[in-house]
Amino acid sequence: DAGVIQSPRHEVTEMGQEVTLRCKPISGHDYLFWYRQTMMRGLELLIYFNNNVPIDDSGMPEDRFSAKMPNASFSTLKIQPSEPRDSAVYFCASSLSRKAFFGQGTRLTVV
Amino acid sequence: AQSVSQHNHHVILSEAASLELGCNYSYGGTVNLFWYVQYPGQHLQLLLKYFSGDPLVKGIKGFEAEFIKSKFSFNLRKPSVQWSDTAEYFCAVGLYNQGGKLIFGQGTELSVKP
Repeated sequence: DAGVIQSPRHEVTEMGQEVTLRCKPISGHDYLFWYRQTMMRGLELLIYFNNNVPIDDSGMPEDRFSAKMPNASFSTLKIQPSEPRDSAVYFCASSLSRKAFFGQGTRLTVV
Repeated sequence: AQSVSQHNHHVILSEAASLELGCNYSYGGTVNLFWYVQYPGQHLQLLLKYFSGDPLVKGIKGFEAEFIKSKFSFNLRKPSVQWSDTAEYFCAVGLYNQGGKLIFGQGTELSVKP
């Protein structure tokens, strides 16, 4: 298996633009997590899904953030509109039997 | 609320020195415990994990960790570090009844001088 695949690896966008981050989990995994990593706040859990259903989105910072998982092999994290303080590395992880594997991350820069 | 505390933000060692990184967590339920490593510019990789059984677990690259339930601790150790161990290390608690949802510590940056 290729592991958790995220795209794009890097994204630079202007403030106010919509940004969509994508994640393909490992086949067969039943949980998917979105994390954000910043110098100030470390690794924060934003939202997670179980069998494509959102379970806990309490970590989503604002209504500008939304996440979907239309099927078992794909998830998106959308920021609309984006702001400079959203600049961070966003990681997707999937797990089976409580063992999580992380993607390479998307480095988002909002200017 | 659940939380994970790593004792050191930045540790600087010379090669061959011994390493111990502290980690304490706050959660009353059943947990799984993990150490992840993040090399510069890379994603998180699993170093080792504890689910049950022997509280002393061995991971990759000579790392080991000991779970002490009474102290809510899961410290990471390595007897002799190498320059290639320079990275950031994250302790994480997986919440058993939430699908393994991981709560991370703030991370410890390890710099090993050659």
